[in-house]
Amino acid sequence: NAGVTQTPKFQVLKTGQSMTLQCAQDMNHEYMSWYRQDPGMGLRLIHYSVGAGITDQGEVPNGYNVSRSTTEDFPLRLLSAAPSQTSVYFCASSYSYEGGPKDTQYFGPGTRLTVL
Amino acid sequence: GIQVEQSPPDLILQEGANSTLRCNFSDSVNNLQWFHQNPWGQLINLFYIPSGTKQNGRLSATTVATERYSLLYISSSQTTDSGVYFCAVQPKYGNKLVFGAGTILRVKS
Repeated sequence: NAGVTQTPKFQVLKTGQSMTLQCAQDMNHEYMSWYRQDPGMGLRLIHYSVGAGITDQGEVPNGYNVSRSTTEDFPLRLLSAAPSQTSVYFCASSYSYEGGPKDTQYFGPGTRLTVL
Repeated sequence: GIQVEQSPPDLILQEGANSTLRCNFSDSVNNLQWFHQNPWGQLINLFYIPSGTKQNGRLSATTVATERYSLLYISSSQTTDSGVYFCAVQPKYGNKLVFGAGTILRVKS
């Protein structure tokens, strides 16, 4: 199993540009989520999904869009990039129980995004 | 929402020393996990431990759910233990995992 994969590893954008961060998992996990990590602030939840066609907002959803058309893929879209979105982005997946994450969360390697 | 506090924020150890990291949370939980983020940024799950005690080699964890805290023990620390340790919890009546700010551990040889 490849586990959770993310592309790209690094990205530099200009203010106002849009882009999509890709996340895929091959463990048949229902629950997938996106976090951003900023220095000294731990990980903050952006959006999550409990299955294909079902998504919901986390703590910091503004400026980001998600969709889940398949179990395997959960892309994160930046609609109009801003310098405040400079961060490291992590995708995670797990089995789901009663609409939440069950057991162990598996993380991808992260995408380091810089917005100029 | 639920609050997650980790202590200490920073810890410097000599190789071979033992340490205890603490995670306090403000509400009942049905999911608690400990993660290690290595210096290259990779996040690895150490324990899924909503209650009770587990051990994995030199690491062990205990969660006392009724008193709303969890402890991560590292024995005979090695330089490869360096990094950031995160506690993450899912509230009993929620469906999101909330992370603490982490403990930065530096092990010196």
